[in-house]
This record gives sequence, C-alpha cells and structure tokens, in this order.
Amino acid sequence: ETGVTQTPRHLVMGMTNKKSLKCEQHLGHNAMYWYKQSAKKPLELMFVYNFKEQTENNSVPSRFSPECPNSSHLFLHLHTLQPEDSALYLCASSPALSMNYGYTFGSGTRLTVV
Amino acid sequence: GENVEQHPSTLSVQEGDSAVIKCTYSDSASNYFPWYKQELGKRPQLIIDIRSNVGEKKDQRIAVTLNKTAKHFSLHITETQPEDSAVYFCAASGNDMRFGAGTRLTVKP
Repeated sequence: ETGVTQTPRHLVMGMTNKKSLKCEQHLGHNAMYWYKQSAKKPLELMFVYNFKEQTENNSVPSRFSPECPNSSHLFLHLHTLQPEDSALYLCASSPALSMNYGYTFGSGTRLTVV
Repeated sequence: GENVEQHPSTLSVQEGDSAVIKCTYSDSASNYFPWYKQELGKRPQLIIDIRSNVGEKKDQRIAVTLNKTAKHFSLHITETQPEDSAVYFCAASGNDMRFGAGTRLTVKP
C-alpha cells in the first residue's frame, strides 16, 4: 500500500442505485483529488479538495457528489448513473495544492453501471 | 486550460532497445512535468519528474528532457526490460494537473 486506500475495489450498480466510493490517506497530505479513467482517454480531473475545501469542480454532472469531511478522507457519492459512467475512479493526494508535487494514487474503484 | 498531447499511443520494442515517449503542452505557465507508470490492474505511480528550471533529469535507466520554448518534454527508457511493459502517462502542471492519454509500452523478450 502506498498510503492511499480506496474502497471498494470493484462495484457493479444499477442506474437507479445509490452508492459511495471511499478514499483514505494517511500521508499527511492536504490536497485530494478524484479522477475518472476511461479506456483510451486521458485521466479526467473531476474534483479537487484542499484542506477539505472544494477548490475545483471540473464540470462534473450532479449525479456525482463529492464529500470531504477532513483532510484524510474523501468520498464520491453516486446516484442515477449512466452506463457511460462505467470507468476506473482514482483518488489521489498530494502534500499541498501547489503545482510542484507529484500525486500518490490509490488503486481505484472499477465501477460498472448496468 | 492546459492541453497535453502524448505520442505514440502504443510502442513495442525489443528487450534491450530504447523507448522514447513524447508529450507537448499548451499552457506556458506549466512548470512541473511528472511521468507516471501504470502496470495492468495497478495504480499509476510517479517514476520521474522535471521542473521548468531544468532541461534534463536522469534516474538510472530513465531520463526526461524538457524544451520550454517548444513546449515539449520526453521520457527516455534505455536498456528496456520486460518489466518496463506498462502504460506511461505524462502530465503538465500549470493551473492544474493535466494528463496525456497514455502510451502502452510493450517490451518483447
């Protein structure tokens, strides 16, 4: 483990379900991110949190709702998703919201919407 | 916003050969350029990075070069081994971190 843990690793949900993805880091980082990884596409930034405050919402549909109760935990609440939302959802963290730090990624949640 | 282009999308080399992956970026304010390696079914991992005040950086068999004027940077892997097979992502960090689409590198034994 690199210090960023995501659960669950796999999730299959129907379009009417409500589920949540969880991300936890114990690296002492202050910035956390949600990315969507689809086949043959660049990593898509979804949300950015800095000191548990949302600093960026990258035009993400409202069926994705993030929550950051503290600097160590990040959630992504899902409801009424579409099949095209099936992807690998990656959480990442960095020491600060500065542009000179590499990210530590979690292993991701493989989401399938049926 | 930043736009990062990465080429090639797939690359196959013979073990022992060199591999080069190239990226271009659009935002002149970008000043940090990391490279990530993602093995099948695993998380992306930072393997090397370069900052805008440096033109080249090397770490054993991998090296990165940066041409700020031309807004492009490259990853060079020498003496490739089968365990180098993975998807490699470049990224450019300006106002935010933007990733290239990835290069699937296959090293044939």
